[in-house]
Amino acid sequence: GAGVSQSPRYKVAKRGQDVALRCDPISGHVSLFWYQQALGQGPEFLTYFQNEAQLDKSGLPSDRFFAERPEGSVSTLKIQRTQQEDSAVYLCASRVGSYNEQFFGPGTRLTVL
Amino acid sequence: QKEVEQDPGPLSVPEGAIVSLNCTYSNSAFQYFMWYRQYSRKGPELLMYTYSSGNKEDGRFTAQVDKSSKYISLFIRDSQPSDSATYLCAMSVSTVYDKVIFGPGTSLSVIP
Repeated sequence: GAGVSQSPRYKVAKRGQDVALRCDPISGHVSLFWYQQALGQGPEFLTYFQNEAQLDKSGLPSDRFFAERPEGSVSTLKIQRTQQEDSAVYLCASRVGSYNEQFFGPGTRLTVL
Repeated sequence: QKEVEQDPGPLSVPEGAIVSLNCTYSNSAFQYFMWYRQYSRKGPELLMYTYSSGNKEDGRFTAQVDKSSKYISLFIRDSQPSDSATYLCAMSVSTVYDKVIFGPGTSLSVIP
């Protein structure tokens, strides 16, 4: 496809369950970002990859959050032992290089019951 | 106090009105200023991008940055129902790599 895709689009998890959210960036895009967007708020930075290297993970809220991009393309955000406060939309964005626009995917809406 | 403040609205205007959306920020190191539009259940899309102080115009949209006041604005002329969305201001210190800090967004409805 032409844009950033994310799957699943919606995920309902029971508290304590592990979840994995997938991001397929635009082909050839070097940089990949994950954001968390709570209801009524702007996106908040979680982590950044340049190719397969995770250069910044300072926004990950706890050690229950883990992201990887092993081959420099697809990325997975994993949340272990989900809590109700993890309920949010998780957005992925990619860009060609350092000076270019970030293109966002549609997000995965996670609801933790 | 958050780094970027934005009136959340909602803002409701009649079709054809001029819309003014604003953000204030606290970090004087910000140099790159962006406006994103986000439709319901979609990801944000970049509308305007400006560097440092000044104005930038693109069709019906004008972005203004006043670094001395730490205040940025987006004006929409001849607003259309299709402009109904949430508008997010965003900013960063540099573009090489830097976290983009988003405002909370203003919800806009343009009524036909």
